[in-house]
Parts: sequence; C-alpha cells; structure tokens
Amino acid sequence: QKEVEQDPGPLSVPEGAIVSLNCTYSNSAFQYFMWYRQYSRKGPELLMYTYSSGNKEDGRFTAQVDKSSKYISLFIRDSQPSDSATYLCAMSGGGNNRLAFGKGNQVVVIP
Amino acid sequence: GAVVSQHPSWVICKSGTSVKIECRSLDFQATTMFWYRQFPKQSLMLMATSNEGSKATYEQGVEKDKFLINHASLTLSTLTVTSAHPEDSSFYICSSGTGYNEQFFGPGTRLTVL
Repeated sequence: QKEVEQDPGPLSVPEGAIVSLNCTYSNSAFQYFMWYRQYSRKGPELLMYTYSSGNKEDGRFTAQVDKSSKYISLFIRDSQPSDSATYLCAMSGGGNNRLAFGKGNQVVVIP
Repeated sequence: GAVVSQHPSWVICKSGTSVKIECRSLDFQATTMFWYRQFPKQSLMLMATSNEGSKATYEQGVEKDKFLINHASLTLSTLTVTSAHPEDSSFYICSSGTGYNEQFFGPGTRLTVL
C-alpha cells in the first residue's frame, strides 16, 4: 500500500460547480497536510496547509482533515476556469519534513 | 509565503554534457532543500535532500555520482546532472521551507537532452 493514495482521474466540472478532491493515507505519524496547485509546466504552489485534524477555510477553498479515518479533502466552491490545474495532496510528520505526495488530480473547469 | 527561484527555467543540451540547475531561497535561509523530478502526468519524486554544509541524502535508486548536489550557502543549492542522457529529460523542481513542514517550490527547470 502506498503511503498516500489519490485517484488521479481527470475531473471536469462546469464553471460555478463545487470541486471535491480527496486523499487517503496509511502513515499515522503524518500531522501536516497540504494541498498544492500546479499549473502546466510550473512548480507546485502551496494552496492550503493544515496541522492535525479539522477544517480550514480560505476564500473559496476549504481543506478538511480527518485523522481518525486517515482522509483529507479539498473543496473548491464557485469554481472558475482559472482553477483548472493539477491538485496534489501532500503530507509529512513523524520527525522529518519530507513530503509524501499523492499522484495529483487534474481538474478542468469548463466555462 | 516564502519565495524559491530556480535557474534556468529550461535547458536543452546534447547527450553526454553536464547541466547545472540552481535553486535559491530569496527571502529566508534554507538549511534544507529538496530536489524532485517529475515526468509528464506523474507526481513529484523526491531525489535527494540537500543539507547546508554537509552531504546530500539521496533516495533509493538515485545515483549520487550522476546527480551532484551542492548546498554551499543558506540560500543556494545546486543540482548538476552529469553526462546527461535522453532518459534524464524531465522537469526538475526544488523546494524549501521555513521549518514548520510547509514547503515552497521553485518554478521548475525543464531539461531536454537530445
């Protein structure tokens, strides 16, 4: 079993819809959870950063962490064409700051 | 967030030549930097952890002699791909953080080896 599982299947949604992304993980030592957005041919950009369980909201973005289920989610409300990108979940913990990444979800928001 | 830059943003070279990629932290001091490679439609693969003033730690399967890492100052780490071959063509990305497990990525360097 991989440390982080993220279904890489492309996701197409109409503009204005809610985008829901998620990752599961197996390492119970993970405490820091991140979502990165990566546009084509660019480096990943940190979108959301959460420590331990709970919700965090930033504008149209909401990150949720459920450590008991080892499950994290990212929601994008009122999606825009500019949100079209690949979204990667990442996490770390257990005494080092090495990141374990999911495979990434390609999201396409159709105008 | 912290700013990390990379240079060059893209490079094309002939097979057998060496290519150096620079990674700089612009507004913070980075004792640790990470080097990743990313193939098309794939996630990031950690190659090595670069430590200021000491040897880099390489991931399993990454050749130390082929991917030379130097982290001579708190703001600069370099990755040299020695005797590059077409299979080394990839997107190389560095990252660093401010010590709270957040990592900030550079814009990446696209290497194409002919």
